[in-house]
Amino acid sequence: QKEVEQNSGPLSVPEGAIASLNCTYSDRGSQSFFWYRQYSGKSPELIMSIYSNGDKEDGRFTAQLNKASQYVSLLIRDSQPSDSATYLCAVNSGYSTLTFGKGTMLLVSP
Amino acid sequence: DGGITQSPKYLFRKEGQNVTLSCEQNLNHDAMYWYRQDPGQGLRLIYYSQIVNDFQKGDIAEGYSVSREKKESFPLTVTSAQKNPTAFYLCASSLGTSGTPDTQYFGPGTRLTVL
Repeated sequence: QKEVEQNSGPLSVPEGAIASLNCTYSDRGSQSFFWYRQYSGKSPELIMSIYSNGDKEDGRFTAQLNKASQYVSLLIRDSQPSDSATYLCAVNSGYSTLTFGKGTMLLVSP
Repeated sequence: DGGITQSPKYLFRKEGQNVTLSCEQNLNHDAMYWYRQDPGQGLRLIYYSQIVNDFQKGDIAEGYSVSREKKESFPLTVTSAQKNPTAFYLCASSLGTSGTPDTQYFGPGTRLTVL
């Protein structure tokens, strides 16, 4: 059974701080990793994808991948109240299918 | 506008009834997916289809059925055999290109409640 683990949270950070979200996965053969943001009652929206070891930056978001340790993380710099949402980590588990973690709830207080 | 549409947004079903959830995409994507999300849970794969007239079971296919007669459409039927169907149902699509990382994009979802 391929598994993706996330701390359910909530992770509480003050406005302007860095939020760090972590995800571990069990399948060493996984090649593609995705972070989705999901607001309450809404569908997930893609934030970032990462395929190679190291960091990938996009605006205030940085995804970090370490395949040897089987973890992927998402850093959100200058956190805003509008970043308050549940963040889902997803890992490819076969041809075009994904396994999702249960998500980490992030709360950014003004 | 390109995108994925799901209808209805909210659906109420009596026990013992079959209901069909609609999913349409105009992104010219080959692959389409159905997920179920329960409160506080991640997404669980019900069925997926990589090409017209072909589909595969996901992790929780029991009590569900699908068809893929057109590239743009992937309807999901929740049958009376599904014992606990109340959930948020999400449809997604992706390019489905073989051998490349394949990003999935989601529709707005259908919230099904069994009365």
